[in-house]
Amino acid sequence: DAKTTQPPSMDCAEGRAANLPCNHSTISGNEYVYWYRQIHSQGPQYIIHGLKNNETNEMASLIITEDRKSSTLILPHATLRDTAVYYCIVRYSGGSNYKLTFGKGTLLTVNP
Amino acid sequence: DTEVTQTPKHLVMGMTNKKSLKCEQHMGHRAMYWYKQKAKKPPELMFVYSYEKLSINESVPSRFSPECPNSSLLNLHLHALQPEDSALYLCASTPAGTFVDGYTFGSGTRLTVV
Repeated sequence: DAKTTQPPSMDCAEGRAANLPCNHSTISGNEYVYWYRQIHSQGPQYIIHGLKNNETNEMASLIITEDRKSSTLILPHATLRDTAVYYCIVRYSGGSNYKLTFGKGTLLTVNP
Repeated sequence: DTEVTQTPKHLVMGMTNKKSLKCEQHMGHRAMYWYKQKAKKPPELMFVYSYEKLSINESVPSRFSPECPNSSLLNLHLHALQPEDSALYLCASTPAGTFVDGYTFGSGTRLTVV
């Protein structure tokens, strides 16, 4: 699976949009981009995933560049409860690939 | 039911003790996982079971012994652990085979070895 690069930390004001970047320049055509978050001392929580197109669900939006070498997770109206470590993971989803490998992630701190 | 349930939430054990961690899901998922997470580090994969058979062992020491007695239950048996094994142990589940769904994680067991 391709490696990802994320900033170690970011700050965001409550009520504003949080935009979390991720570089995955070695991504292959059949690898998906996944985002998870982990609130302190809890298990990771799946947020969203995408292959080529932009995706949106009730939690967030995922914007993937046309060349697929980077992506951005957008939390449209961040709240204090969104303070967490956010992990961007690239994973091949075929052939019984069971490995989900976490990088260091981005610690997002939402400030009042 | 869309949850992975882990018990106990906290466990303190001595280095000579034997204990077990339990993980349960009722989503019909046929792949289950154990991850270990040290403080301020990302989760690291330990074991994967697929259709109740051990599929991946990431060179984990034998003092950790996984077991998958049925499609809903995953155990991690602990014996003769060291203080450095203190960590958050996370269980997860997914469909088996080819899938694009996200992994569902439990809230973890916080293990302290004294």
